[in-house]
Amino acid sequence: AQSVAQPEDQVNVAEGNPLTVKCTYSVSGNPYLFWYVQYPNRGLQFLLKYITGDNLVKGSYGFEAEFNKSQTSFHLKKPSALVSDSALYFCAVRGLFPAYGQNFVFGPGTRLSVLP
Amino acid sequence: EPEVTQTPSHQVTQMGQEVILRCVPISNHLYFYWYRQILGQKVEFLVSFYNNEISEKSEIFDDQFSVERPDGSNFTLKIRSTKLEDSAMYFCASSEKGLDRSYEQYFGPGTRLTVT
Repeated sequence: AQSVAQPEDQVNVAEGNPLTVKCTYSVSGNPYLFWYVQYPNRGLQFLLKYITGDNLVKGSYGFEAEFNKSQTSFHLKKPSALVSDSALYFCAVRGLFPAYGQNFVFGPGTRLSVLP
Repeated sequence: EPEVTQTPSHQVTQMGQEVILRCVPISNHLYFYWYRQILGQKVEFLVSFYNNEISEKSEIFDDQFSVERPDGSNFTLKIRSTKLEDSAMYFCASSEKGLDRSYEQYFGPGTRLTVT
């Protein structure tokens, strides 16, 4: 079975400081990994994904994420946080094999608060 | 940028009543999904739909649920006889390609269903 863990319910960071939102996954074989962000009263917005190739992937709004196969992690990072980055962040995994189905398996979410 | 839209944004209904949640996926997308998020819990997959039929469903998607694409633009989720535990945020999503698991899904803003 696939699963995703986001060990922190809440992350607080000062504006201008680097931020990290952690994600670990469990799936057989190589996964497809995604990050989504949810702003208040909005749907989930796609940020970035890892499919194959370079372990560091870059996405929208200056975010990037690093795939680490040995640690089964896909942490979201940004070098300099903005107050407008404050939102709920979801990590999601999709297995490669048909047996895993077409759907995403989401983590529980991490609320990021960037303080001015 | 094209978006997935959902109506209504909030639906209040009495237990035992039928509700229909509506979604307009992105126009050139072929794969459609419903997810739900009970307050404070994970986003959970309900069902995927392609070529006018259900391609996959979770154990949550029992006989009380049904989906339909009544015309070329709308995608609906019907709950025949609502229960208190159906109270949740329901997200519609669409994807250009579903069988290719590397493709991201685009989510609507959600419909908050409250069953009293």
